[in-house]
Amino acid sequence: GQQLNQSPQSMFIQEGEDVSMNCTSSSIFNTWLWYKQDPGEGPVLLIALYKAGELTSNGRLTAQFGITRKDSFLNISASIPSDVGIYFCAGQLSGSEKLVFGKGMKLTVNP
Amino acid sequence: GAGVSQTPSNKVTEKGKYVELRCDPISGHTALYWYRQSLGQGPEFLIYFQGTGAADDSGLPNDRFFAVRPEGSVSTLKIQRTERGDSAVYLCASSQRLGRVYNEQFFGPGTRLTVL
Repeated sequence: GQQLNQSPQSMFIQEGEDVSMNCTSSSIFNTWLWYKQDPGEGPVLLIALYKAGELTSNGRLTAQFGITRKDSFLNISASIPSDVGIYFCAGQLSGSEKLVFGKGMKLTVNP
Repeated sequence: GAGVSQTPSNKVTEKGKYVELRCDPISGHTALYWYRQSLGQGPEFLIYFQGTGAADDSGLPNDRFFAVRPEGSVSTLKIQRTERGDSAVYLCASSQRLGRVYNEQFFGPGTRLTVL
């Protein structure tokens, strides 16, 4: 099935560092979303973006909806140990309820 | 209030067997979704229900997969003649229809299916 191109696939950082990840698609999306998944759990929504160019923050997280509507990035500032997990981007096409996910980025934070 | 619940949490079966996976959505949520997540991958859409009817089943891989939601609440994903390639975590999500551009999908913890 279709998946978004998400990079990097994994990152190892020290506590306090910032981290960035991005997602690209060949399709134009109506909505971009960023989820976090902990082991044994389902994904949990972090940020939702609805307009091209939109920049949205949620605490230490900042995400942007690319101007072309084919990409998005997520920044995490001043990482802490509980940021560990797998981060997924997801897009929603206009007129569709289904989400298309990236392959995920596994984040490890060393205290 | 309770979130989305899925049972069983783990299911081990033999190749060729039939399995049923259950999803209890958040009370009052009219939309229900099934996704499949293979190891090291993101979730992939299978099917979406609005009420009792399947509004989009374009993600079902083949006719061995079938899902029902007879009363517009609980849903069951049914897999016939299971194959080793069906091994994955099956995630269920539900949402309210609020007329927004995006109605947040709340995910359950998933059922881990292993086909031996």
